[in-house]
Amino acid sequence: NAGVMQNPRHLVRRRGQEARLRCSPMKGHSHVYWYRQLPEEGLKFMVYLQKENIIDESGMPKERFSAEFPKEGPSILRIQQVVRGDSAAYFCASSLGPASGNTIYFGEGSWLTVV
Amino acid sequence: ELKVEQNPLFLSMQEGKNYTIYCNYSTTSDRLYWYRQDPGKSLESLFVLLSNGAVKQEGRLMASLDTKARLSTLHITAAVHDLSATYFCAVDGASGSRLTFGEGTQLTVNP
Repeated sequence: NAGVMQNPRHLVRRRGQEARLRCSPMKGHSHVYWYRQLPEEGLKFMVYLQKENIIDESGMPKERFSAEFPKEGPSILRIQQVVRGDSAAYFCASSLGPASGNTIYFGEGSWLTVV
Repeated sequence: ELKVEQNPLFLSMQEGKNYTIYCNYSTTSDRLYWYRQDPGKSLESLFVLLSNGAVKQEGRLMASLDTKARLSTLHITAAVHDLSATYFCAVDGASGSRLTFGEGTQLTVNP
């Protein structure tokens, strides 16, 4: 049973370009979470999605960032017009659901560098 | 808003010594996680603590949870260099929809 799969693992973008990060949850999981880790900091929640729905996006920056989890295919975190401050590790996690006892599993992360 | 605080944030210790990392959180929670992260790597799940008084041990690491005090501890016994890493605790809020992480404790074990 494959774990949470993220790609690309490393991505370099110039300022002003777009970054797309993909996440395939564990088999059978329909709940996906995105977290961001800035250098030397802890992980910060960004967004929580279920298939075709955004459940909680309270951690998403108001501009340039968007996320989706379509009926088919991976979840995508999209960052438009990237700036140097977007350089960070972006982690995806998945679970069976928010109910107590459902463990959250993390992917390997995608490291974005904006030059 | 749920807040999670770890201390110490930086810990340098000698091999063979014991030490404890503390994790305090501000509101009721169903679950508490401990993770390890090596530089440039993802999170490795160490422990999931589900109930008051829960204690789990794996090798030189032991984690405990006191939900009444809203406190978890990660105890390191007879540290070895391979334990050098950053350790995070994370708390699952009442809604169960996301984890709130502590700032992390950067542990360095010196030979």
